[in-house]
Amino acid sequence: DTGVSQDPRHKITKRGQNVTFRCDPISEHNRLYWYRQTLGQGPEFLTYFQNEAQLEKSRLLSDRFSAERPKGSFSTLEIQRTEQGDSAMYLCASSIYRTEGEKLFFGSGTQLSVL
Amino acid sequence: KQEVTQIPAALSVPEGENLVLNCSFTDSAIYNLQWFRQDPGKGLTSLLLIQSSQREQTSGRLNASLDKSSGRSTLYIAASQPGDSATYLCAVRRHERNTGNQFYFGTGTSLTVIP
Repeated sequence: DTGVSQDPRHKITKRGQNVTFRCDPISEHNRLYWYRQTLGQGPEFLTYFQNEAQLEKSRLLSDRFSAERPKGSFSTLEIQRTEQGDSAMYLCASSIYRTEGEKLFFGSGTQLSVL
Repeated sequence: KQEVTQIPAALSVPEGENLVLNCSFTDSAIYNLQWFRQDPGKGLTSLLLIQSSQREQTSGRLNASLDKSSGRSTLYIAASQPGDSATYLCAVRRHERNTGNQFYFGTGTSLTVIP
């Protein structure tokens, strides 16, 4: 169990550019979540995968955002035509349902700064 | 929609003091509640998970309680240490019948333990 990995840790980009983040969940976990967090706030749900199926997307997720999870393993989150308001920490979490409960495990996040 | 509130937003205590952090939620139909710790610029680390059928969970100096009917949870930290300084967040998981986004987060309590 190597934990949830996210890459890159930091990304600085200019407004209008596209960015892509990667998340590698814990290998046995079939559920994967993307969250966005701004300073002083709790994580805000973006999207959720169960295996390779994207089961829910937040209304906050504009058409500039897209996420994939091919083959139900790693996931990517792409933001097209970035805006300054996209600056935030993007967090990935994974989980697996067990009878004792579903515990979320988070990665270290990708800090995005849009200039 | 589930609303999760954490009070206080910030707390400063001298080393050695016992303290209580509060989390309240509006919809009592939850599946479980999880407490997390977040250090600045980092992801979230799971501390304790309480199932809806449980009243409390303990891990070391931490004790979390759950009163589902009143929509409250508390995190008790005994004999606080400077290393406990971090932001503490609670997240409630809605009932398993629902699919998609499962977790709702509070905005956290920022704890500072003064040596």
